[in-house]
Amino acid sequence: AQSVTQLGSHVSVSEGALVLLRCNYSSSVPPYLFWYVQYPNQGLQLLLKYTTGATLVKGINGFEAEFKKSETSFHLTKPSAHMSDAAEYFCAVYGQNFVFGPGTRLSVLP
Amino acid sequence: ETGVTQTPRHLVMGMTNKKSLKCEQHLGHNAMYWYKQSAKKPLELMFVYNFKEQTENNSVPSRFSPECPNSSHLFLHLHTLQPEDSALYLCASSLQGVQNKKYPDGYTFGSGTRLTVV
Repeated sequence: AQSVTQLGSHVSVSEGALVLLRCNYSSSVPPYLFWYVQYPNQGLQLLLKYTTGATLVKGINGFEAEFKKSETSFHLTKPSAHMSDAAEYFCAVYGQNFVFGPGTRLSVLP
Repeated sequence: ETGVTQTPRHLVMGMTNKKSLKCEQHLGHNAMYWYKQSAKKPLELMFVYNFKEQTENNSVPSRFSPECPNSSHLFLHLHTLQPEDSALYLCASSLQGVQNKKYPDGYTFGSGTRLTVV
């Protein structure tokens, strides 16, 4: 069985500040991990994914995530937030099927 | 455009109406999915089709009826819905179980249909 938890349903940061969105997972098989972003009235768009190899993964729009097996975590970061980053972010794990986390809404304050 | 097209984008229907949601992809994917996204709730997987065959039905009420005539098209037929069925309905597709393809690419989502039941 797999599960995903995202700490914080809502995160607010100031423009230019560090973005950190937390994701922890459980999986009985080696996981493949994903981050998706959803802008208002849109579907989910793939930001980045970890399948194998390098544990630090770079994605679109300056985001990156690091797979830490010992911590069962896959936190999403961006050094400097931009107003356009305001959206809902979903972490997902794929073991035998896809399981999505509950999502974290990111607000960026001017 | 992501390559997965959903129509209509918005739909308002009465509880006695019958309507259908349509999803179309030309990405060469062989699996398609319906998800329900309600406010304050996690994404709910409703149906999974793999090579046009339904492989998963997550205890969805019979007032929702999926149809997958081919690997590129997916429908969700709606009838006698309830107000609590109001939500964003998302279609997704992926490439599953392809020989020599070791890792999942993830799902490609459409923009969704915003359904309001009155």
